[in-house]
Amino acid sequence: AQSVTQPDIHITVSEGASLELRCNYSYGATPYLFWYVQSPGQGLQLLLKYFSGDTLVQGIKGFEAEFKRSQSSFNLRKPSVHWSDAAEYFCAVGAGLTGGGNKLTFGTGTQLKVEL
Amino acid sequence: GAVVSQHPSWVICKSGTSVKIECRSLDFQATTMFWYRQFPKQSLMLMATSNEGSKATYEQGVEKDKFLINHASLTLSTLTVTSAHPEDSSFYICSAKDARLSYNEQFFGPGTRLTVL
Repeated sequence: AQSVTQPDIHITVSEGASLELRCNYSYGATPYLFWYVQSPGQGLQLLLKYFSGDTLVQGIKGFEAEFKRSQSSFNLRKPSVHWSDAAEYFCAVGAGLTGGGNKLTFGTGTQLKVEL
Repeated sequence: GAVVSQHPSWVICKSGTSVKIECRSLDFQATTMFWYRQFPKQSLMLMATSNEGSKATYEQGVEKDKFLINHASLTLSTLTVTSAHPEDSSFYICSAKDARLSYNEQFFGPGTRLTVL
């Protein structure tokens, strides 16, 4: 069974500081990994995704993530956080190809607070 | 591209009534749509997978007769919460998979906030 662990429920950083949100996954085959952001009362916005190729993935809003197969991790990073980045962040894993099934499994989320 | 809409964005209803939520893929065809439920400050929990022209597949613990799903066209899936009760109050989010894509990526709608009084 596939699963995602986001160890940090809450993280607080100062504006301008760097950020790293952790994500560990469990998946039996080639995973398809995602990071989403959700503002209060809103739907999910895709930040970035990884399926294959370069293990360092660039996303929107200055975010990047690195896939490390040996550590089963897909941590999200940003060099300098802005106050508008305060939101809930979800990591998700799914099958890479359609034949592997369609389900996405989400982590429990990390709430990011940004101190001005 | 890849826009998914939901209607309504929020709804308040009385206990015992039924509520229908629509999920539409606006610029692509979706053979598969998904319905999620999210309680406050919690993650998304998959309720069911909806395939166009066939019965939905429900996750364990989700009542099929309470959460009726219909996927009658390649761009529309509906979720009907029947005989709603206060414990059904939640944020419901749908997503859709583009039929043209060979890999799995879901595009999410903005969500529907249901409050049952």
